[in-house]
Amino acid sequence: KAGVTQTPRYLIKTRGQQVTLSCSPISGHRSVSWYQQTPGQGLQFLFEYFSETQRNKGNFPGRFSGRQFSNSRSEMNVSTLELGDSALYLCASSLWPGLADTGELFFGEGSRLTVL
Amino acid sequence: ELKVEQNPLFLSMQEGKNYTIYCNYSTTSDRLYWYRQDPGKSLESLFVLLSNGAVKQEGRLMASLDTKARLSTLHITAAVHDLSATYFCAVEGGGADGLTFGKGTHLIIQP
Repeated sequence: KAGVTQTPRYLIKTRGQQVTLSCSPISGHRSVSWYQQTPGQGLQFLFEYFSETQRNKGNFPGRFSGRQFSNSRSEMNVSTLELGDSALYLCASSLWPGLADTGELFFGEGSRLTVL
Repeated sequence: ELKVEQNPLFLSMQEGKNYTIYCNYSTTSDRLYWYRQDPGKSLESLFVLLSNGAVKQEGRLMASLDTKARLSTLHITAAVHDLSATYFCAVEGGGADGLTFGKGTHLIIQP
C-alpha cells in the first residue's frame, strides 16, 4: 500500500516568489493535513482538508493557502515568500475525521523549501 | 491555547538502560499520539492513546496516558542503538487546531 506522496521533495526559491507543494494521500484516506516544521518553532499545524473543504486552519498568515481536489489530493501554496518560510512542509493523511476515526496521521516524506 | 511540553528535550543514554520521556499538556484531551522522526526523515506513528489509562507496547517502547494528570509517558526498556531518534508527542485539541506537538526529545543511545 503506497504511503503519502509529496512533491517536490526539495526546492529552492527566492524572496517574493511563490511556491506550490503537492500531496497525494494514502488510497482511501480522505482527510489531508499540512504541517510546517522548523528548528525554532517545531511542528506547527497549517490546515486540514476533507471533501475539498478546509476544516481547520492554524495561525499562519493569508500567504499560506491550500486546496483539496475531488480525488483527495491536496496542494498548498505560499505566496510572496519570506526567508522565514524556509522549512520542511509535511503532509499527512488520515482515514476519516470524526469519532469513528482514531485521528492517527500518516505523514509523507515532506517538501524541504529553502528561501534565499 | 493548548500547550504540550516534553522533557527532557535531549537525552543521551547507554545501551541496556531504561528511561522515560514525559509529555504534559495543558487542556483536556483524550487523544494523544507518539511519533518518531529519524534525521532527514518524516514522522512515523508509534502509538495512539485514546482514553485514560491506555497503555500500548511495541518492542522496547511502552506508552501510557493519564488524562486526569494530563500526562503521557514513553518508556524505553533496555535501550538499543536503533532507537536513537527524535520522539514527539502530539495532542488533539478538540478539533479546532489540528495536532499540537511537543518540541521533541532528541534521544541518542550510545553503545
